[in-house]
Amino acid sequence: RKEVEQDPGPFNVPEGATVAFNCTYSNSASQSFFWYRQDCRKEPKLLMSVYSSGNEDGRFTAQLNRASQYISLLIRDSKLSDSATYLCVVPGDSGAGSYQLTFGKGTKLSVIP
Amino acid sequence: DAGITQSPRHKVTETGTPVTLRCHQTENHRYMYWYRQDPGHGLRLIHYSYGVKDTDKGEVSDGYSVSRSKTEDFLLTLESATSSQTSVYFCAISDGQSQPQHFGDGTRLSIL
Repeated sequence: RKEVEQDPGPFNVPEGATVAFNCTYSNSASQSFFWYRQDCRKEPKLLMSVYSSGNEDGRFTAQLNRASQYISLLIRDSKLSDSATYLCVVPGDSGAGSYQLTFGKGTKLSVIP
Repeated sequence: DAGITQSPRHKVTETGTPVTLRCHQTENHRYMYWYRQDPGHGLRLIHYSYGVKDTDKGEVSDGYSVSRSKTEDFLLTLESATSSQTSVYFCAISDGQSQPQHFGDGTRLSIL
């Protein structure tokens, strides 16, 4: 199993819809997880940290399921400005034996008027 | 926004030439990272630093070297650039290994 796997999408949803992304990870020892947002031709920006079972920030909810080794991101009442690529990030082996954050390839979301 | 500055923001150069990218931070964070991002691959770690003069390899370190002589500066060098190193390069900083990372604006590098 790859370190971090995400459905690449694209997810095309109408404004106001609820959309959920899942991310699976392989390192069962991982303790902290993150969701980042990346706009086209821009840098990734931290959206949410997930340190326990999950947390909520406004329209965004992140959940962690340690038994099944996945995290999810739920976006309620989607806005046009939510259109971006969402990156799942998990601590793990980033190569050469180092222990660093590993980034998923991202899920692209397009919110349609 | 975290105080991270990458320079240059854009560069076009020829195969075989040396290239150095600079990352400068004003946050006094211990960890600094260099990533490249390519379509279909996502972000891949090149090298990272956990302190002055302390660096380690990432997933795709071949063809790259780094140096960190001061807390605030982390340099990425391509000794002899190849076309396969055409990419967008991001610098990131963090307080700790498992802490969230904050990214610079990126450098778009084209090797012709």
